[in-house]
Amino acid sequence: SQTIHQWPATLVQPVGSPLSLECTVEGTSNPNLYWYRQAAGRGLQLLFYSVGIGQISSEVPQNLSASRPQDRQFILSSKKLLLSDSGFYLCAWSVKGGSETQYFGPGTRLLVL
Amino acid sequence: AQSVSQHNHHVILSEAASLELGCNYSYGGTVNLFWYVQYPGQHLQLLLKYFSGDPLVKGIKGFEAEFIKSKFSFNLRKPSVQWSDTAEYFCAVTPGGSYIPTFGRGTSLIVHP
Repeated sequence: SQTIHQWPATLVQPVGSPLSLECTVEGTSNPNLYWYRQAAGRGLQLLFYSVGIGQISSEVPQNLSASRPQDRQFILSSKKLLLSDSGFYLCAWSVKGGSETQYFGPGTRLLVL
Repeated sequence: AQSVSQHNHHVILSEAASLELGCNYSYGGTVNLFWYVQYPGQHLQLLLKYFSGDPLVKGIKGFEAEFIKSKFSFNLRKPSVQWSDTAEYFCAVTPGGSYIPTFGRGTSLIVHP
């Protein structure tokens, strides 16, 4: 069966520090991968999606970037964190050409101080 | 771009009460429709989905949703809620042929025992 992992689960970082959040999927190949930010009362905001290695599309211009160095690995990064980057970050995957059902990871709670 | 509206942001019910959560979307073409649920401390997960066929869709835990194309709606229902239904519920829409979903802002449901 397929599983999706995210780490770390919780992160507290100072303003101006770099960020790297990692997501890996097991049990499937060539998935679509997604990064979301979930804010209370504001739903899920799609940040980035990827249909393949090295292929990244950004939905919202901001202080973050994403990379997909391997088929089942998706990384969310920042060179310098802002206070406004605090939030709950979710990684998800879907089967290409399938139902486009999203399968979500456990999330990372980021607090920027 | 499509948008998804969930009209009820916070719903509080007593056990055995009936539930209906509204979801409307703006997109004129074929759509795939989803409801996701996030129980406290758990991953966001699929509750039910509609792609085609019978517009009344049944999901897990006694939930159902009805797609009304003329109203651009996909409301979620449950005849009798339980305390364990306390969760956040998200409606999502993906245009046919796309792999990019749009999520609503979510509805927080609290069920009192």
